[in-house]
Order: sequence, then C-alpha cells, then structure tokens
Amino acid sequence: ETGVTQTPRHLVMGMTNKKSLKCEQHLGHNAMYWYKQSAKKPLELMFVYSLEERVENNSVPSRFSPECPNSSHLFLHLHTLQPEDSALYLCASGTTRETDTQYFGPGTRLTVL
Amino acid sequence: GQSLEQPSEVTAVEGAIVQINCTYQTSGFYGLSWYQQHDGGAPTFLSYNALDGLEETGRFSSFLSRSDSYGYLLLQELQMKDSASYFCAFPNQAGTALIFGKGTTLSVSS
Repeated sequence: ETGVTQTPRHLVMGMTNKKSLKCEQHLGHNAMYWYKQSAKKPLELMFVYSLEERVENNSVPSRFSPECPNSSHLFLHLHTLQPEDSALYLCASGTTRETDTQYFGPGTRLTVL
Repeated sequence: GQSLEQPSEVTAVEGAIVQINCTYQTSGFYGLSWYQQHDGGAPTFLSYNALDGLEETGRFSSFLSRSDSYGYLLLQELQMKDSASYFCAFPNQAGTALIFGKGTTLSVSS
C-alpha cells in the first residue's frame, strides 16, 4: 500500500474524447508528479507541482493539461489524444526536501483508439 | 545532457547474487536512487546513495562511486519474488524531480 491512489486504473478513449485522470496522496507530501511510462522507454517526467504550483512542464503537448487544486490532489486532463499517447500514466508524491524518494500510485493504463 | 545507462535484462537463479550496474551523465549530481517495479505494479523506492560507498538494506545493497559516475544494486539470496524491473534514477539539475534509466528486467528462475 503506497498511500497514493489513482483512478481510473484503466481507460480506453477515442481521439475526440475528453477525460481526466485523478491522483490522491494521503502522505502529507508537498510535491506531486505525473510520469508517462511507455513500453521499452524510461519513465518520462511530465509535470511537477511543488506546494501546489507547477514548477516543471517537461515539453508536454498541450493536449495534456494538469491541475493541482490542493497538495493532496492532482489531475491530468486529456483531450484530442493520439494513439501514441497510449501508455501507463503514473502519479507520484514526495517532499521538496527529498526529491530522491518518491511514492508512486498504481498508474492508469490508457489506450487511445 | 542528463542520462543513465543500465542493462536491459539480467537472469539468475534462486539463491544467487546479481549486480545491476548503472552509469550516468549529468552535472550537479545529488545522488543515485533505485526503484523496483513488478509487472503491472507501481515503482517502489529501494535505496538512495548520496555519498560514495555501499549502503545495505537487508538482502539489497546499493553502491555509488561519484568519481566514476557509476553505481550498482546488489541483490543477494535471490528469490522468485525479486523478478521485476529495477530502475536507477537521479534528481534533475533543478532538484525538482527524478530522471530514470530505462530499467533492467531481472528474471529469477528456480
């Protein structure tokens, strides 16, 4: 049990759909992250929120839109995605003082048709 | 740029010892982390080395040599449940997030 939950666990969407991924952490952390994990590729950092402020946007296309309403919740809004966006999307939380230790959620397996 | 290199696959038998190497390139290095990810699961933190030397945590140990830009994860008394992917990682230059290697898939057989 990691203390970081993600919903939904699986999502299938068409290229014209709009959907959102949700992440919630119960660890009292002040930093949250979105990563993308594709087959045979390293974990790719997408966004970083520190103290509810976005501090990193790693050249992610605008069809991905993050939102962090408070330190416990993180969303990833998706619209007009492409089939190559199919991947496992992982949320993680941590503290700004110890970036080396992050706690990951189980991920959302996204398939774009 | 910043990058980490590790072998893509390693195989071993139960009870054996295996070493997973990681070489890295970066400036402003803080330290090296290791994560384990079982198939279909979330990555979980294993260890972090900020200083040179060996850190031991039960059956797992991690080593770092900053002068050689090199580290390794040592797994002893291998068990079937150790079959997983193992990632080395380090904080980015801003210190705001982690950069991961491509991962090493460890297969333990009986």
